[in-house]
Parts: sequence; structure tokens; C-alpha cells
Amino acid sequence: GENVEQHPSTLSVQEGDSAVIKCTYSDSASNYFPWYKQELGKRPQLIIDIRSNVGEKKDQRIAVTLNKTAKHFSLHITETQPEDSAVYFCAARTFGNEKLTFGTGTRLTIIP
Amino acid sequence: GAVVSQHPSRVICKSGTSVKIECRSLDFQATTMFWYRQFPKKSLMLMATSNEGSKATYEQGVEKDKFLINHASLTLSTLTVTSAHPEDSSFYICSARSGQNYGYTFGSGTRLTVV
Repeated sequence: GENVEQHPSTLSVQEGDSAVIKCTYSDSASNYFPWYKQELGKRPQLIIDIRSNVGEKKDQRIAVTLNKTAKHFSLHITETQPEDSAVYFCAARTFGNEKLTFGTGTRLTIIP
Repeated sequence: GAVVSQHPSRVICKSGTSVKIECRSLDFQATTMFWYRQFPKKSLMLMATSNEGSKATYEQGVEKDKFLINHASLTLSTLTVTSAHPEDSSFYICSARSGQNYGYTFGSGTRLTVV
């Protein structure tokens, strides 16, 4: 089955700087890659997603890039703010299978 | 947007009792429901996938007789933790998907504590 690895597990960034979180996946048939933000005790919230026919997608301060050849995708957050502090999860979905496989999570802390 | 209501948000039960968790899709038809378990500071681990009107498909290592899943309608799925033990204490989250929607909508989660 699909295996998703996520790095780093923790990340501290000065407010205003950029944060990058990287994920790799194992199944070349995966075609959908969402990123979720989860605050303590809350539900995961979709922040951005990308499909395999696109290399990059941007939504204001958040962007995701996908390299299908290398089987990795990254989340980029620019101009970070304290409210960006949370745990971020990447996930991958394989074509023909509805299941999402989640990465291990990154705890992002924005230092004021 | 799509909303999934999950109840209860918190429950404390005694060892040996059963607990039922409900997830309702409020404004769409949830053709598929996913049930996850999340330990503190850990990732979401898929327990089972259920399609409306069909038996749930459980992930390897998940006891189907302990974690009973029912998806009797397109708007309601339930997870029953039977004969709960302290090691079943965890955060349980559902996620619903409509066949017409590519996305996944998560419930708000249930914090189960077994004492």
C-alpha cells in the first residue's frame, strides 16, 4: 500500500519568515495530495490540495509543489503569522482507491 | 460548504461498557465514511472504510467485532466501541466523502476516555 513520509516532525520559524514542509510518497499511482492543518483537539482542516496533473498551486500565502518523478510534494507558507502555529499533515490518495494515507505530521511553531 | 457533525465530542465511560459515536453529513450525501483513530501527537490512522448499505472494510489489525461500524443511510454512520478498555482511549474522527465531491470532510472528533 501507499506509504507517506513527512519531514520535519517539528519546525520553528520566526514570524514573517517562510516555512517549508516536505512529504514523499511511495505509490506512483497516487494522484491527489491534500494538506491539512490541525489545531489541538480540533478536526483537520484542508488548507490546500493538488492533483497529479498540476505541478504547483498557490492560494495567497500558501503554495504546494509536486514532483511526480521524484514522488515528493511540499507545502510552502510565506510571511508566517502566529496563527499559522499548528500541526500540519500531508496525505496521498491512490487512483482507484478512496483512502487517504497521512504523513506523520509536522508541528509548526511561529515565534513572535 | 460540506459539514459533518460528530457526537459526542467527549465521552468518559467505564471499562467493559460500549460507546457509540455518530457522524452525520448535514448538507450532502456521504457515500463513503472513513473512521480514524488518533493518539496524542500522532497521525491519523485509518480504522475502516464504510459505504452506505455495505459492510465496512477494516484495516489490518483493527478488530471488526470490537469496533462496529454502521452506515445505514447516506447521512449517518456510527462507530460503536464495544467492551471498551483503557487502551481504547483515543481521539476518534470520521471523514465523509460524496461521490460527487473530490474532497473529504472531517467531523469534529470524539475524545474517548475509558476508566
